[in-house]
Amino acid sequence: KQEVTQIPAALSVPEGENLVLNCSFTDSAIYNLQWFRQDPGKGLTSLLLIQSSQREQTSGRLNASLDKSSGRSTLYIAASQPGDSATYLCAAPPGGGSQGNLIFGKGTKLSVKP
Amino acid sequence: DTGVSQDPRHKITKRGQNVTFRCDPISEHNRLYWYRQTLGQGPEFLTYFQNEAQLEKSRLLSDRFSAERPKGSFSTLEIQRTEQGDSAMYLCASSFGHDPSTDTQYFGPGTRLTVL
Repeated sequence: KQEVTQIPAALSVPEGENLVLNCSFTDSAIYNLQWFRQDPGKGLTSLLLIQSSQREQTSGRLNASLDKSSGRSTLYIAASQPGDSATYLCAAPPGGGSQGNLIFGKGTKLSVKP
Repeated sequence: DTGVSQDPRHKITKRGQNVTFRCDPISEHNRLYWYRQTLGQGPEFLTYFQNEAQLEKSRLLSDRFSAERPKGSFSTLEIQRTEQGDSAMYLCASSFGHDPSTDTQYFGPGTRLTVL
């Protein structure tokens, strides 16, 4: 059974700092892994999807990596801004090569202070 | 706006009442998912459809919950005899579902249910 864990649960950084959010998963037989952003009381916004054949995916100041062998993914945010403050969630398919629903971590709540 | 839409955005009901939520997916997306999220937790999977067929249901989906996608377009999620434990954000997502490796799920804004 796929389990997704995110560390830390909360992170506070000063504006301009580079930071890394961590995600680990137990079943590496996955097609992809997604990172999402969620603002308070809102739905989820897809940030990046990394295919299982890829090691990295970049979008603007965001870079996500995937290491299936170790069951880990990281989300790197460069030059953080107060507008980056939100909860970041990673999600993986159920594992065992199956498609379908996503299994989510509990998220990392990021606060970027001006 | 061509994103996933959900209606209503907020619902307050009394325990024991029935409620129904609607989700309109992105046009041409053949997969539609329902998730439930409680405070401080990540979303938990409830059920998903490929076209009009309901392919999987979570054990979280008790007999009081039913979901439909009658014509493979919009979907409804009904909760009968609501309980206070049903209070949560109900999220809908959709995806193309053709290529597993690139199958990005796009989420709607959610329906927040409060059961008094």
